[in-house]
Amino acid sequence: KNQVEQSPQSLIILEGKNCTLQCNYTVSPFSNLRWYKQDTGRGPVSLTIMTFSENTKSNGRYTATLDADTKQSSLHITASQLSDSASYICVVSDRGSTLGRLYFGRGTQLTVWP
Amino acid sequence: EADIYQTPRYLVIGTGKKITLECSQTMGHDKMYWYQQDPGMELHLIHYSYGVNSTEKGDLSSESTVSRIRTEHFPLTLESARPSHTSQYLCASSQDSGGARDEQFFGPGTRLTVL
Repeated sequence: KNQVEQSPQSLIILEGKNCTLQCNYTVSPFSNLRWYKQDTGRGPVSLTIMTFSENTKSNGRYTATLDADTKQSSLHITASQLSDSASYICVVSDRGSTLGRLYFGRGTQLTVWP
Repeated sequence: EADIYQTPRYLVIGTGKKITLECSQTMGHDKMYWYQQDPGMELHLIHYSYGVNSTEKGDLSSESTVSRIRTEHFPLTLESARPSHTSQYLCASSQDSGGARDEQFFGPGTRLTVL
């Protein structure tokens, strides 16, 4: 069964600290993996995308890694800011259909305290 | 920021009412999607469209219906709303370039509450 599991479910950190969010997936055949940021009451916004051959991708203070062999990904946030408080969703796309089916994790709810 | 819009942003209605959630995109994307999301849960695909006059049901069974008469417009309709329909509804669109990097752009969502 194709699944995407994220951990931790929620995380609280102090402003300026770093954190790492985890994503494990069983989706096959694999096409790409995206990390989305979803602010409360808003739609998700893409942060990074990695295909099978890419093992790291950065977007400012966000750095994502991908190990396609173990089917694991992480999102590292450096020097957190209050505006980083949001849900971070791991999304894996398969290439088994024309639609490019997306499998969503439940997200990690990050709260950054001053 | 993506050019995809949803209205209304918030809607509170009584049971039995007919409602239409609007979604429009100005990017000329062929593919459009409707997702349902409950708090703390993953997004579930309820409808999608490959283009004009194309509509398909998604993975999650839904009593809603959709139409795609124009490329930019993908409205979702509930003929008779019930409390079980209370949820957040997210619309998305993507270009069909056939590449592995085709990104889905999401609208801000409609928070529906049925009393």
